[in-house]
Amino acid sequence: QMQLQESGPGLVKPSETLSLTCTVSGGPISGSSHYWGWVRQTPGKGLEWIGSIFYTGSDYYNPSLRSRATVSVDTSKNHFSLKLRSVAATDTGIYFCMGSLASYCVGVSCFGWIDPWGQGTLVTVSS
Amino acid sequence: EIVLTQSPGTLSLSPGERATLSCRASQNVISNYVAWYQQKPGQAPRLLIYGASSRATGIPDRFSGSGSGTDFTLTISRLEPEDFVVYYCQQYGSSLWTFGQGTKVEIK
Repeated sequence: QMQLQESGPGLVKPSETLSLTCTVSGGPISGSSHYWGWVRQTPGKGLEWIGSIFYTGSDYYNPSLRSRATVSVDTSKNHFSLKLRSVAATDTGIYFCMGSLASYCVGVSCFGWIDPWGQGTLVTVSS
Repeated sequence: EIVLTQSPGTLSLSPGERATLSCRASQNVISNYVAWYQQKPGQAPRLLIYGASSRATGIPDRFSGSGSGTDFTLTISRLEPEDFVVYYCQQYGSSLWTFGQGTKVEIK
């Protein structure tokens, strides 16, 4: 059973970059069929998918966040990361890392039910 | 984008009663690729149901899912005290994951 743990600053200033890392335990990212990614929960939009990546580096994003988000993977450290640029107060929320097995694929972008989830980390955007 | 609308927003019931939660999609969800999650305060969502009706590992059989096309239902046959939390549906049959806004099950 893979387990996920988010880490990163809990406070980010407006216009700066939010950076989070998700460390995976219980098995190597490169040996898993999971697609890894990020979901956030904000007061304004509820649960919202941000972006995902496969261990090969193939990434894909929510079109509404594509211009600001980058998801990357480091198999040597068994973790994956999120960068969200030019943040504003509306980006304040709980950020969850997650894994998903593919049920529906469009090219290299694959989607499925989400399991496992990290415990989540609160990120506040404020000066 | 497939919009998921959950109803009711809040469901007030007593322990032991049956809960019926609805999730309606703005368009057909292919292969009934709908999941349900339970979220307790301060915790991440927990997968309950996938593929509209398959229970996830370790989920009690009082939880069941049904539906197809655009209409999906989560049923809790007999509410236990720990079931009074928030539930979300999610679709994964398109190139954009989307979630419903949630249904809160509260003690009447």
